[in-house]
Amino acid sequence: AQKITQTQPGMFVQEKEAVTLDCTYDTSDPSYGLFWYKQPSSGEMIFLIYQGSYDQQNATEGRYSLNFQKARKSANLVISASQLGDSAMYFCAISPGTNTGNQFYFGTGTSLTVIP
Amino acid sequence: ETGVTQTPRHLVMGMTNKKSLKCEQHLGHNAMYWYKQSAKKPLELMFVYSLEERVENNSVPSRFSPECPNSSHLFLHLHTLQPEDSALYLCASGDTGDWDSALHFGNGTRLTVT
Repeated sequence: AQKITQTQPGMFVQEKEAVTLDCTYDTSDPSYGLFWYKQPSSGEMIFLIYQGSYDQQNATEGRYSLNFQKARKSANLVISASQLGDSAMYFCAISPGTNTGNQFYFGTGTSLTVIP
Repeated sequence: ETGVTQTPRHLVMGMTNKKSLKCEQHLGHNAMYWYKQSAKKPLELMFVYSLEERVENNSVPSRFSPECPNSSHLFLHLHTLQPEDSALYLCASGDTGDWDSALHFGNGTRLTVT
């Protein structure tokens, strides 16, 4: 069974500051992918960043980085230099390597508000 | 046009109506998905089509009927829905057998059942 846990229903951050959104996961698959998505109020799910379970280095994509701690089964998203446009829901997801149909399992999300 | 396109963006329907949601992807992916997003709940996978064949059907009520005529188009036919079916319905595309490939989503259809 696969499970994603996001324990922060809501977070606030001052503009230009960094913020960390937590994500822990549970899987018995030896290989898997971890993904973060952003969902603005418009509804579209926007892919942000990916981390493979065998990747030695933490993924980075512009202002987004992933703090991957495999032994702890955590994959926290770090957003640096927050901008007002970062206000949105953020979802963590896992795609196990052995599943058919490339099924993704999502967490309940964290609502981020950037304060001017 | 690029990415994943969903129509309509908003839909209000009565419980006796029949309507369809449409999704089109221009990314060359071989799989398409329907997800349901309700408030304060994780995204729920409804259907997966891989190479135009359904591979997952997570016990979705029969009032939801998917159709995938080709790898670029996906429909969700709706009939005799219930008020609890009101939600955001998201279409996505991806590549099966490639577990490090991200899903790409459309803007969603916000459905209200009255």
